[in-house]
Amino acid sequence: DAKTTQPPSMDCAEGRAANLPCNHSTISGNEYVYWYRQIHSQGPQYIIHGLKNNETNEMASLIITEDRKSSTLILPHATLRDTAVYYCIVRVGKGYSTLTFGKGTMLLVSP
Amino acid sequence: EPEVTQTPSHQVTQMGQEVILRCVPISNHLYFYWYRQILGQKVEFLVSFYNNEISEKSEIFDDQFSVERPDGSNFTLKIRSTKLEDSAMYFCASSGELYEQYFGPGTRLTVT
Repeated sequence: DAKTTQPPSMDCAEGRAANLPCNHSTISGNEYVYWYRQIHSQGPQYIIHGLKNNETNEMASLIITEDRKSSTLILPHATLRDTAVYYCIVRVGKGYSTLTFGKGTMLLVSP
Repeated sequence: EPEVTQTPSHQVTQMGQEVILRCVPISNHLYFYWYRQILGQKVEFLVSFYNNEISEKSEIFDDQFSVERPDGSNFTLKIRSTKLEDSAMYFCASSGELYEQYFGPGTRLTVT
């Protein structure tokens, strides 16, 4: 799997949009971009994934650049409960392929 | 909403003892996984399981570890002779034909 680079930490004010960047310059054509988060040692939680088009679900939006070398996860209205470590992972889009977690970005949402 | 469950939530054992960690994956899922996270470190892949056999394993998953799906609902991880360095959170995950893996809440294993 291609490697990803994320900032170690970010801050966001409650109610504002949180924009979490990820670089994946060596991504292959058949690899998807996945985002997970982990709230204080709980099990990682799936957020969203995409191949090349922008994606949106009830939790977040994913913006992937046209060259696919980077992406941004957007939490449109961050709440205190969104404080977590966010992981950007690239992997082949098959159900059985494993997830390789990096250190992620620690997002702290403050009142 | 369906979810992955794990028992126990916390297991304390003595070095050299065998432990079995249990997981109930989401019912229509086909692929099952174990990951672990040592305190303060990254989440690490251990093993994946499909069609009643191991499909992939990491170098961490040595002969001390084994997995089993003893019936249609449970998925277990056995550590034969625990070491101090096995102390960690162990997460079970499952996935279906779609691509996302869903994780359980974890079992905290403490080896003393």
